[in-house]
Amino acid sequence: ETGVTQSPTHLIKTRGQQVTLRCSSQSGHNTVSWYQQALGQGPQFIFQYYREEENGRGNFPPRFSGLQFPNYSSELNVNALELDDSALYLCASSPEEGQGYEQYFGPGTRLTVT
Amino acid sequence: AQKVTQAQTEISVVEKEDVTLDCVYETRDTTYYLFWYKQPPSGELVFLIRRNSFDEQNEISGRYSWNFQKSTSSFNFTITASQVVDSAVYFCALSADNQGGKLIFGQGTELSVKP
Repeated sequence: ETGVTQSPTHLIKTRGQQVTLRCSSQSGHNTVSWYQQALGQGPQFIFQYYREEENGRGNFPPRFSGLQFPNYSSELNVNALELDDSALYLCASSPEEGQGYEQYFGPGTRLTVT
Repeated sequence: AQKVTQAQTEISVVEKEDVTLDCVYETRDTTYYLFWYKQPPSGELVFLIRRNSFDEQNEISGRYSWNFQKSTSSFNFTITASQVVDSAVYFCALSADNQGGKLIFGQGTELSVKP
């Protein structure tokens, strides 16, 4: 059974640029959630995708957007990057949407905005 | 409002000591789930346990045990006979009703186990 994978591992971007992060969910999982983890903080929920539809969103501006594909993999897009967007971006998959299901996390993408 | 508080920012112990990580949560929902995750230096969050609000039984898994008390809104985690490999940041998280699968995390407790 393949776990959650994310790419790239590290990324350096300049303020104002756009970035796309990718996530492959664990086999058999149809729900993907994205989290932002600033240094020394707990992860903050960005949004969740279930069967290719956004299924909940945290307190993040519209320049954070996402997609989920028919194979349940997902992308996180961030436009007009700001310095504060520098963080570890974590993707998690679960077998179904809804509370109570364990979320299995990938290794994350470390984004640095200069 | 939903909230998770981990008041201990850092804990340092010597190997073989027992250590308890505290977690206090806030929610008005009657149905909710609590989780613990471990984040080693590699960065990947590792799932440890899930508890639902209707199950207050304590759980033991090897050297790990969890104490869930609804009366005090706490879900504490104890490591018995700690080992150097237990060094990591530990997060408590809450998933409450009408929030879908959204996990609300505490700030984390960094545990350092010294030989």
